[in-house]
Amino acid sequence: AQSVTQPDIHITVSEGASLELRCNYSYGATPYLFWYVQSPGQGLQLLLKYFSGDTLVQGIKGFEAEFKRSQSSFNLRKPSVHWSDAAEYFCAVGNTGGFKTIFGAGTRLFVKA
Amino acid sequence: EPEVTQTPSHQVTQMGQEVILRCVPISNHLYFYWYRQILGQKVEFLVSFYNNEISEKSEIFDDQFSVERPDGSNFTLKIRSTKLEDSAMYFCASSEVRGNTEAFFGQGTRLTVV
Repeated sequence: AQSVTQPDIHITVSEGASLELRCNYSYGATPYLFWYVQSPGQGLQLLLKYFSGDTLVQGIKGFEAEFKRSQSSFNLRKPSVHWSDAAEYFCAVGNTGGFKTIFGAGTRLFVKA
Repeated sequence: EPEVTQTPSHQVTQMGQEVILRCVPISNHLYFYWYRQILGQKVEFLVSFYNNEISEKSEIFDDQFSVERPDGSNFTLKIRSTKLEDSAMYFCASSEVRGNTEAFFGQGTRLTVV
């Protein structure tokens, strides 16, 4: 069955520091992979997605993610974090034949001055 | 930019009452979804809807839930007899093509059952 694991429940980084949020997935074929961000009390905003092709994908707000099939990972990165990046980040996976997206448990990012 | 809109943003209801959560998907989208997020937990798939019928549903989506597209623009989730454990944020989403290309999510409706 498909599943998504985000090992870090929360992460704290200093403003201006680099960020990496981990995501591992379980899926038999090539998955569709997503990162969403949710600010407090807000909906889900798509940061980036991977369907095929270049394994390094660029998203909005300066985020990028790298698909590594050998590690079943799709980690999210940002070279320099801003205070406004503080939010909950969800990794998600979908499949080619189904209708649903499976979400990880989320990683809450705290940014300190 | 087109967006998915949900109303109301917050609904409080008494246990046992029926609630209807409303969504207006993006106009040219064909696939519609409901997801649920219990406070502090992950976002969970409830149901997908295409061509006026349910395409897929999760085990959460039992007989107390139903979905409907009553007209050309709205997509609703009805909970027939609410329970305390139905308290959650409910997200509507829509996509232009099947399932797992980019789904656009609404801002959510926070349902509180008292």
